[in-house]
Amino acid sequence: DTEVTQTPKHLVMGMTNKKSLKCEQHMGHRAMYWYKQKAKKPPELMFVYSYEKLSINESVPSRFSPECPNSSLLNLHLHALQPEDSALYLCASSQVGLAAQETQYFGPGTRLLVL
Amino acid sequence: AQSVAQPEDQVNVAEGNPLTVKCTYSVSGNPYLFWYVQYPNRGLQFLLKYITGDNLVKGSYGFEAEFNKSQTSFHLKKPSALVSDSALYFCAVRLNTGFQKLVFGTGTRLLVSP
Repeated sequence: DTEVTQTPKHLVMGMTNKKSLKCEQHMGHRAMYWYKQKAKKPPELMFVYSYEKLSINESVPSRFSPECPNSSLLNLHLHALQPEDSALYLCASSQVGLAAQETQYFGPGTRLLVL
Repeated sequence: AQSVAQPEDQVNVAEGNPLTVKCTYSVSGNPYLFWYVQYPNRGLQFLLKYITGDNLVKGSYGFEAEFNKSQTSFHLKKPSALVSDSALYFCAVRLNTGFQKLVFGTGTRLLVSP
């Protein structure tokens, strides 16, 4: 089973709202990722958690706040977003260890629209 | 800088014909290369990867890729295209930084006509 689930599938929020995106995997992976993808562009890495600790933050604005409460869950808390933050947000997970094991498996994404 | 390039924005092929989606890489050290496919409004699906060993890598849905070190290429191929193969294809490289960081190419849209 290589399934990563994400909720919600779609989200519309105002610039003053607070919302959260959720990601879950039950593959025993110990690395989880958030990506942002604009239309017709490649995914851009935002955050990486390894063993529930933040290991990479790609200089993402503080209005995006990640959280990894346990090895199966990954959240992305959103606050005071801008319209340019509208995008598809993808979650991925992978094993940690040898590079050969670190295939990232992606969820279906949350399509976010900021008004 | 370590990167991959996909020189074609779009590839058109007729159903039943062979297809090739091109990818070249620029990496210091041994490259770890990946192909993913994305259907409209969906996440990325892993197709195959090259880590080491045989230069011809077989993956999901009948796809394969050939690693060519001298040409620094990792082209995706399929002997007989299906209309359902129409999607956006991304080549990616894992950076040799000790972190699990993938860098993606710009993507190639494959259109298979009936």
